[in-house]
Amino acid sequence: AQSVAQPEDQVNVAEGNPLTVKCTYSVSGNPYLFWYVQYPNRGLQFLLKYITGDNLVKGSYGFEAEFNKSQTSFHLKKPSALVSDSALYFCAVRDPDFNKFYFGSGTKLNVKP
Amino acid sequence: DTEVTQTPKHLVMGMTNKKSLKCEQHMGHRAMYWYKQKAKKPPELMFVYSYEKLSINESVPSRFSPECPNSSLLNLHLHALQPEDSALYLCASSQRGGGTSGTTGELFFGEGSRLTVL
Repeated sequence: AQSVAQPEDQVNVAEGNPLTVKCTYSVSGNPYLFWYVQYPNRGLQFLLKYITGDNLVKGSYGFEAEFNKSQTSFHLKKPSALVSDSALYFCAVRDPDFNKFYFGSGTKLNVKP
Repeated sequence: DTEVTQTPKHLVMGMTNKKSLKCEQHMGHRAMYWYKQKAKKPPELMFVYSYEKLSINESVPSRFSPECPNSSLLNLHLHALQPEDSALYLCASSQRGGGTSGTTGELFFGEGSRLTVL
């Protein structure tokens, strides 16, 4: 079975500081991992994905994620947070056999000026 | 800008009404999805269509009826809904899964249809 967990309901960070949003995964087989962002009353927007290759994945809007196999983690990072980054972030894993995506519970990121 | 288009953006309906949500994509994706999302919660999978055939139904009540008329369109027919069905309904598409081809593609979401059942 495939699953992801986001241990933090909320993350608060000051503008200009680095941010990390945590995600851990549990998969059988190769992990196909994704990060999405959702602004209020909007759909989910794709940020980045890990399929294979480099453990550091770069994505949209200056975000990156680090895949760590030994810790089964896929944390989302950004070197310098912006107030406009405030949103709800979801980690997800894809089960290729069943064409299903499993989402984490979500983490609300608050970036304060 | 999203490449998955959903209409209407907002819908208010009574419990005896019949209405439909529509979704369209022109990315050539052969898998399309309906998700239901409550406030501040993750999307919950409802249905998956693969090559215009229903491949997954997550035990959704029959008052929700999906339809995939062709590879670009996905509908969700609504009838006799309950107030607890009020939510944001998201359509998404991806490359077809199964095997190694298209298994790694991400989901592309529409902006959603906000449904209120009175």
